[in-house]
Amino acid sequence: DVKVTQSSRYLVKRTGEKVFLECVQDMDHENMFWYRQDPGLGLRLIYFSYDVKMKEKGDIPEGYSVSREKKERFSLILESASTNQTSMYLCASSATGLGNQPQHFGDGTRLSIL
Amino acid sequence: QQQVKQSPQSLIVQKGGISIINCAYENTAFDYFPWYQQFPGKGPALLIAIRPDVSEKKEGRFTISFNKSAKQFSLHIMDSQPGDSATYFCAASRGPGGSYIPTFGRGTSLIVHP
Repeated sequence: DVKVTQSSRYLVKRTGEKVFLECVQDMDHENMFWYRQDPGLGLRLIYFSYDVKMKEKGDIPEGYSVSREKKERFSLILESASTNQTSMYLCASSATGLGNQPQHFGDGTRLSIL
Repeated sequence: QQQVKQSPQSLIVQKGGISIINCAYENTAFDYFPWYQQFPGKGPALLIAIRPDVSEKKEGRFTISFNKSAKQFSLHIMDSQPGDSATYFCAASRGPGGSYIPTFGRGTSLIVHP
């Protein structure tokens, strides 16, 4: 079974802090994704990566950056945290293959910015 | 602009009843339509998926119905059980020529009463 592990389940930070959210997958997947989940808004894509050191903006990249130095690890960075970034953050990975491949999600990090 | 519209936002069903969740999409290039199930405290997980060359796919109590001309698809949960209580997301993605990245609906919170 694919396992996607997010380093923290709950995180509380202060406005203006630089925040790092870490994600590791164990299935050698090429593709990794960061989403935020808010009630009534579903899953919104922040950034994704097709390969090491590659990154692409998703639908809501403002205020975020990412890093992918190793294939199994994808980090989300909040450069200067703000209260409107309080949310549930979900990491996902998927393989590259023939046809569409399902996404495998971690259990999320609930981030509160005070 | 919502490319995948999901309804209802919430649904309450009695045990043994049928749960129906509907989704509509706009982009006719979409060629893969998965449904994800998310339990509280967990990340979404792939439940069932369909491609537009078939009108229906059934896996146990879960059935996807697909209407290509209407650009609609729906999830039917037969004999709904309290253990089915979760949030359900429909999604759509485009394969060859596209990004393979799913566009998610906003989710439906399903509660099945015993």
